This record gives sequence, C-alpha cells and structure tokens, in this order.
Amino acid sequence: AQSVTQLGSHVSVSEGALVLLRCNYSSSVPPYLFWYVQYPNQGLQLLLKYTSAATLVKGINGFEAEFKKSETSFHLTKPSAHMSDAAEYFCAVSDSEDTGRRALTFGSGTRLQVQP
Amino acid sequence: NAGVTQTPKFRILKIGQSMTLQCAQDMNHNYMYWYRQDPGMGLKLIYYSVGAGITDKGEVPNGYNVSRSTTEDFPLRLELAAPSQTSVYFCASSPGDRRGYTFGSGTRLTVV
Repeated sequence: AQSVTQLGSHVSVSEGALVLLRCNYSSSVPPYLFWYVQYPNQGLQLLLKYTSAATLVKGINGFEAEFKKSETSFHLTKPSAHMSDAAEYFCAVSDSEDTGRRALTFGSGTRLQVQP
Repeated sequence: NAGVTQTPKFRILKIGQSMTLQCAQDMNHNYMYWYRQDPGMGLKLIYYSVGAGITDKGEVPNGYNVSRSTTEDFPLRLELAAPSQTSVYFCASSPGDRRGYTFGSGTRLTVV
C-alpha cells in the first residue's frame, strides 16, 4: 500500500529564506506524487505533480520539487519565502492501478509560518 | 466549466440528526471520492466510486453512506450525526489515470 510521511508538522522560516518541506513516500509501483497547498479556511490547490516525466518539477508560486527514487523523497522547495506562502502543505501519492480505487493517500500536512 | 461543486459550504448539526452532503462534477469523470480532513491528520478517504452504481469503502467509512446513481453526482449521507464527525469534508473526482484529481471547495460540518 502507498503511504506518505511528512517530516515536521510545523515549519517556520523568515521572509526571504529558503523553504524546504519534506515528503517521503512508500509505493509498490512507480509513484505519481502531488503537493497541495491549503490557505486558511479554503480548499486544496494543486502546487505541482510528478507523473514520471522530468524529476525536477516546477509548480505555481515559485515552488518546485525533486523526485529522488533512491531516497523515496519528493521534497518541496522555494528559494525565497514570502508572507503569502503561509499555509498548510500536503504531500500525496496516488494508488497503483491494481488497487481499483486509484485514490490519493495524503501525508498529515506541514504548516508553514513565515516570519517578517 | 464548474469542476466539482459541493453543497452546503457550512452546516451545524445536532447530535443524532442526519444530513446529505452533495457533490457534483461536470467533467464526466468515472472516479469520485469523499475525504474528511481533521487537524494534524491530513485527509482520510471515506468512500469512493469507480462509476455509476459502484461504490466501496475507504479507510474511515463508519457512520457514513454513499450512492452513485449518475456519473455526475456522489452524495455522502450522515446518519445519526456524532461529535466525532465534526470535520471538513472534501469531494474529488478523477478520470482514473492517477495523474489528475479535482477537488471541491469543501463542506465544514460541526456536530453539537
């Protein structure tokens, strides 16, 4: 079964500093991986996804993530944090085709705080 | 193109009451999902459907029921609401290719 572990339920950075949100996955098949962002009292917005093309994936708002098979990781980064990046971030992996449901399995989320 | 539409956006229920959360999609997706989101827990799959007339349990189905009479609609029924069902509920749909999922804006439910 697929699973996702997000290290650090809370991350705090200063404005302008590097953002690094960690995600490790477990999958029985080549994974498809996703990062979502959720602003307070809002729904989920797709930041980026990896679907077996380029291992470095660029998303919206200056975020990017690198798929590293040897480390089973898909960490999210942004070179310079902005106050508007304060939100909760979720990493997710999609089920393999043989599960039937082909659903997303989510990590527990990381809340990013950006200090002025 | 509306995507996935959830209604209502907010609801307060009393313990023991019942309600139906509505979810509709206009993308002709065969796969639909219901998740609940609790603080610090991420999103957990309640039920899913792989097509009209076909539904199955996810990881946390107790206290819920679903039906899928059409491709477009996937309502979630809460019978005998309990405080433990206080949560934010998200509906999602997918064409089944594992590459794309569209989420609704969520329903915030409080059971008192």
